[in-house]
Amino acid sequence: ETGVTQTPRHLVMGMTNKKSLKCEQHLGHNAMYWYKQSAKKPLELMFVYSLEERVENNSVPSRFSPECPNSSHLFLHLHTLQPEDSALYLCASSQDFEQPNSPLHFGNGTRLTVT
Amino acid sequence: DAKTTQPNSMESNEEEPVHLPCNHSTISGTDYIHWYRQLPSQGPEYVIHGLTSNVNNRMASLAIAEDRKSSTLILHRATLRDAAVYYCILRAHPSGNTGKLIFGQGTTLQVKP
Repeated sequence: ETGVTQTPRHLVMGMTNKKSLKCEQHLGHNAMYWYKQSAKKPLELMFVYSLEERVENNSVPSRFSPECPNSSHLFLHLHTLQPEDSALYLCASSQDFEQPNSPLHFGNGTRLTVT
Repeated sequence: DAKTTQPNSMESNEEEPVHLPCNHSTISGTDYIHWYRQLPSQGPEYVIHGLTSNVNNRMASLAIAEDRKSSTLILHRATLRDAAVYYCILRAHPSGNTGKLIFGQGTTLQVKP
């Protein structure tokens, strides 16, 4: 148990489907993050939330829609995705998003396949 | 954030020490040096971080060069479970940094029995 739980672990969806990824952190942290890890590529930061407010959106297409209803939960809503969106989607949390000595804690990710 | 350079891969024998190098010649005076590792089929895992002094924790040690242009992650006794991709990352100060952990390709560590 990492303290950051992501569901589902695997997801296969068609390009016209709508699905959501869920992340929950049990660490009492104030910041939550979505990262994307494509095959053979480094992790890419997608979104950052601090105290339920979005503070970073790294030019992510609108077919990805994040939601942070409280500091413990983070969702990534998906619709009309493309096959190139297939990747491992990782959620992370940290105590304070502004402090560079505040480690991030990652979940084990959702492996998404878009067909 | 400043850039880091790591070897693509390294090999080690089980129960021997491993020294994973990282060069960061453009580091600024207030950048923290972070190390994460990613085991197969898992998310990255925080290992250790430091600013100027060497650091030790239950997982590893971090040795930072006096000029801070390089650092070394030390695993004192490698086990098969230490086989992973190890990332060396710099995080900037002052505040305003938004957790932009900029991941490179990292070093893939293989541990042989």
